[in-house]
Amino acid sequence: KNEVEQSPQNLTAQEGEFITINCSYSVGISALHWLQQHPGGGIVSLFMLSSGKKKHGRLIATINIQEKHSSLHITASHPRDSAVYICAVFYSGGGADGLTFGKGTHLIIQP
Amino acid sequence: EAGVAQSPRYKIIEKRQSVAFWCNPISGHATLYWYQQILGQGPKLLIQFQNNGVVDDSQLPKDRFSAERLKGVDSTLKIQPAKLEDSAVYLCASSLGLPWGYGYTFGSGTRLTVV
Repeated sequence: KNEVEQSPQNLTAQEGEFITINCSYSVGISALHWLQQHPGGGIVSLFMLSSGKKKHGRLIATINIQEKHSSLHITASHPRDSAVYICAVFYSGGGADGLTFGKGTHLIIQP
Repeated sequence: EAGVAQSPRYKIIEKRQSVAFWCNPISGHATLYWYQQILGQGPKLLIQFQNNGVVDDSQLPKDRFSAERLKGVDSTLKIQPAKLEDSAVYLCASSLGLPWGYGYTFGSGTRLTVV
């Protein structure tokens, strides 16, 4: 069974700080998603990664397939970045392709 | 492009009552998923459809939960009878069905409270 572990579970930071959220998994995957969920809102897909690094605005996502690890970085953080960030993976090897989710990182950016 | 539509947005029912949720995926998305997200946890896959066929329902509590996608487009998820532990957000998602979940999109969810 593939486990998806995220850290930290909760993170409070000041506006402008550089934020890093980590995700590790235990078996080979096809791809990894970083998702954002605002309180009471739906889930938005931020990135889908299978290798390397992607950047979108102030968000950067990296993945190291050999180490089975991914990070989500937020530069110049802002209170509107406050949300739950969820790492989710697709397993390798076929079969049903539903995502397996981490428990999420609850981020609060204070002004 | 319209997103994944879900209704209702909120529902409060008493235990042992029944409830149904509706999902309309993005046009052209062959794969549809229902997830259950209990407060403080990540979503858990309940059922995955490919067109109108079930790909995976291994985590669906079949004694009380049922789901269908009769015409390969919209889908309904039903709980009958509901239990207190069914209180959760029920998320619908759809994708093009290609490997790695290309185009994976979530709906806003239905928040169910069982009292």
